[in-house]
Amino acid sequence: AQTVTQSQPEMSVQEAETVTLSCTYDTSESNYYLFWYKQPPSRQMILVIRQEAYKQQNATENRFSVNFQKAAKSFSLKISDSQLGDTAMYFCAFMTLLVQGGSEKLVFGKGTKLTVNP
Amino acid sequence: EPEVTQTPSHQVTQMGQEVILRCVPISNHLYFYWYRQILGQKVEFLVSFYNNEISEKSEIFDDQFSVERPDGSNFTLKIRSTKLEDSAMYFCASSDLQGGTQYFGPGTRLTVL
Repeated sequence: AQTVTQSQPEMSVQEAETVTLSCTYDTSESNYYLFWYKQPPSRQMILVIRQEAYKQQNATENRFSVNFQKAAKSFSLKISDSQLGDTAMYFCAFMTLLVQGGSEKLVFGKGTKLTVNP
Repeated sequence: EPEVTQTPSHQVTQMGQEVILRCVPISNHLYFYWYRQILGQKVEFLVSFYNNEISEKSEIFDDQFSVERPDGSNFTLKIRSTKLEDSAMYFCASSDLQGGTQYFGPGTRLTVL
């Protein structure tokens, strides 16, 4: 079974600075996707960024970028120029790509609570 | 921008009662999911649904749970006889293709008294 580990329960950063959230995962699969979701106090789950395992290039989405190290099974999220609105829980998630079709489930880590301080 | 919607936003029920949580996935999506999040814990997969049948279900999804797509737009989760431990946030999600990004609804907070 796949597992996702987020080793930092809580982090804080000053506004405008950069912060990196860690995520490691365990799988024997070769085809999979990785995601970061953000959950603000409203508790809505919002997609931040997605990475396909077959792509060597790290995904980037505006101020958000990932460092995907496939051999190390590591998938960290870097937030640049942190803003107060980035304050939220951040969940790393893993999805296996099924060969025979059907739907895939997301496996989530326990989350990292990020606070951006003014 | 299309989004997943869920109703109600908050449901309070007595232990042993039946509840139905409703979701309207994004209109052209084919894959549907339910997840739950007990307060302060991680999000857990419950069930996935494709082509009018369950694709996969977790150990949590026992005989007390069922899902249905009664028409072309709604996707429901029914809990037949609620227990105190069913109190959680329930999220519906949908995606348009296999391996596609899952877009989540705002959740329904279920409180079982």
